[in-house]
This record gives sequence, C-alpha cells and structure tokens, in this order.
Amino acid sequence: GAVVSQHPSWVICKSGTSVKIECRSLDFQATTMFWYRQFPKQSLMLMATSNEGSKATYEQGVEKDKFLINHASLTLSTLTVTSAHPEDSSFYICSVFRGISYEQYFGPGTRLTVT
Amino acid sequence: ILNVEQSPQSLHVQEGDSTNFTCSFPSSNFYALHWYRWETAKSPEALFVMTLNGDEKKKGRISATLNTKEGYSYLYIKGSQPEDSATYLCAPSDAGNNRKLIWGLGTSLAVNP
Repeated sequence: GAVVSQHPSWVICKSGTSVKIECRSLDFQATTMFWYRQFPKQSLMLMATSNEGSKATYEQGVEKDKFLINHASLTLSTLTVTSAHPEDSSFYICSVFRGISYEQYFGPGTRLTVT
Repeated sequence: ILNVEQSPQSLHVQEGDSTNFTCSFPSSNFYALHWYRWETAKSPEALFVMTLNGDEKKKGRISATLNTKEGYSYLYIKGSQPEDSATYLCAPSDAGNNRKLIWGLGTSLAVNP
C-alpha cells in the first residue's frame, strides 16, 4: 500500500478564520488525491478530487471558493477551509489514489472544530 | 450508484465467534466493490477490491464474496479476535466514474475477549 500522513490531526479555530490541512503521500507519487468529509453518523462524502498540477474537481454542492485545494507536488495536497463557520466543523480525511488497483490509501484524518 | 446499505449497523460478538456483514448496492452500471477496515484513531485500511460477479477474496481469517447481478457483497470473519474490532466499510464504484467511491455507513464490530 501507500503511507499517507495528514496534519494536523485536530484543530480548533474561531469562526471567520482559515485553516489549512495537509495531506502527504510518503512513499508514493500521487497524481490524484481525494478529500472527504464525514459528519457524525453519516458516511464519508467525497468533496473533491485533487489533481497534481491542475485544478481540483469539486463535487456538486461543495463550494470551491470556500474549500481551496492545492496539489502542487506529487506528494502534497492541501485543503484550506476559508472563513470557517461552525457548520464546517467535521472530520476531514484525504486519500491517495493508486490507479493500478483502483485502491485508495487514507490518511488518519483531521478533526476540525470551529467555535 | 446512489444508495449503499450495510447491515447490521453494529455487532457484538465473543472472541472465537465467526460473523458476517452485508453490503447492498444498486447493480446497474457497477464497476468495483471495495471493503475497508477502519479502526478508531487510525487510517481506513483497504481489505479487498472485487470487480467480477462471483469474485471471492481472502486475507487471513477475513473473506469476501461479490454478487453483481443482485447487488450485494458479504464480508466474513472466521474466529473473531479482539483486534478485529473496527468499523467495516464497503464502497462500490460505477463504470461512469470508477475512481469515485460511494460509501456505506459501515458495520461496527466489537469483539469481546
């Protein structure tokens, strides 16, 4: 598999501030990464597909100006939650896509709490 | 693929018991079915990817089967151990976008020693 790290593991921020979450592929060059969000008692929901060197593809209903994704290298994708509000409080988790097997390898996730 | 259902929602078994869970999904436009194990405070771990009707995969005491015609997959754990305690997630993808996984809510398994 692939080893994926995510930082920070948890973050508390005030309403109106921005928060950046990093997703790193430690042993695999990832042209594609995925960002998911999970609210309590709900399933993982895909937010966007992060493509190295090009713009991210956002799922319907996800605001691209609010959730900024940058995938500037084959090992790093970042998700920035801009002007965070309490309703953005959630568990955010990234994955690395391995094309040959169609498997995804996940980071440990980031718990975001907006007060 | 819009709706993925997993049952049961949670399960408590004794060490040594064998158990199984179900994942149901719409069979139209199916591409692949993924099973993951997610332990608390850890990353989800890929268990199996299956694509063909009748596929069976096995990893140690865990195995899975796939029926694409009727739209279901079973995950079996033989001789459950406390370290098997986790949430087991299934996620099908469809032929229109085979990289996009649609996730179930999972089955939470607790194995009592």
